Amino acid sequence: GDSVTQMEGPVTLSEEAFLTINCTYTATGYPSLFWYVQYPGEGLQLLLKATKADDKGSNKGFEATYRKETTSFHLEKGSVQVSDSAVYFCALTLYNFNKFYFGSGTKLNVKP
Amino acid sequence: GAVVSQHPSWVICKSGTSVKIECRSLDFQATTMFWYRQFPKQSLMLMATSNEGSKATYEQGVEKDKFLINHASLTLSTLTVTSAHPEDSSFYICSAREAGNNEQFFGPGTRLTVL
Repeated sequence: GDSVTQMEGPVTLSEEAFLTINCTYTATGYPSLFWYVQYPGEGLQLLLKATKADDKGSNKGFEATYRKETTSFHLEKGSVQVSDSAVYFCALTLYNFNKFYFGSGTKLNVKP
Repeated sequence: GAVVSQHPSWVICKSGTSVKIECRSLDFQATTMFWYRQFPKQSLMLMATSNEGSKATYEQGVEKDKFLINHASLTLSTLTVTSAHPEDSSFYICSAREAGNNEQFFGPGTRLTVL
């Protein structure tokens, strides 16, 4: 079946450290891939997306590349800030963008 | 950006009672709304999809008589948990999408605790 697996958290980093959150997927077709972020007390917000292999999504210094050969969509940021502390969800959807499959979320804590 | 609200943000109820959760799109018309459930440290699981004016489509394993979904207007969908039991305690999140747009906008969630 279709599913998303992402690294367990929490991930704790110092400000300006490099961030990687791993995400791999299993899909029966050709999925679109997403990263969502959830700040405390708020809903999920779309961070970035990629709709086909080799596409790179980027936003707010975060980026992720759709790797079909490794079925991965790892999230990276070169220098994290305290304000990046949140829970990050990797997700995929197929065809009609109705059903999303989410990973279990990775909590990021960035310390000053 | 588009804003989706949920009310209440948290609710505690007694076993056997029913609870209604509202999901509103504040600045766009949501032709489709989605209800998710999230258990602690687990991913969001889609429960049902509702199109305005139509009956909801439930995912396999979700009891439609227990989780009643109404999407009577383009800005409001409600989820009613009927005869709630402690195992229904969870975090419920809705999302909304407008016609012609693939992106789903998520609400902040409602935490339900059934005693």
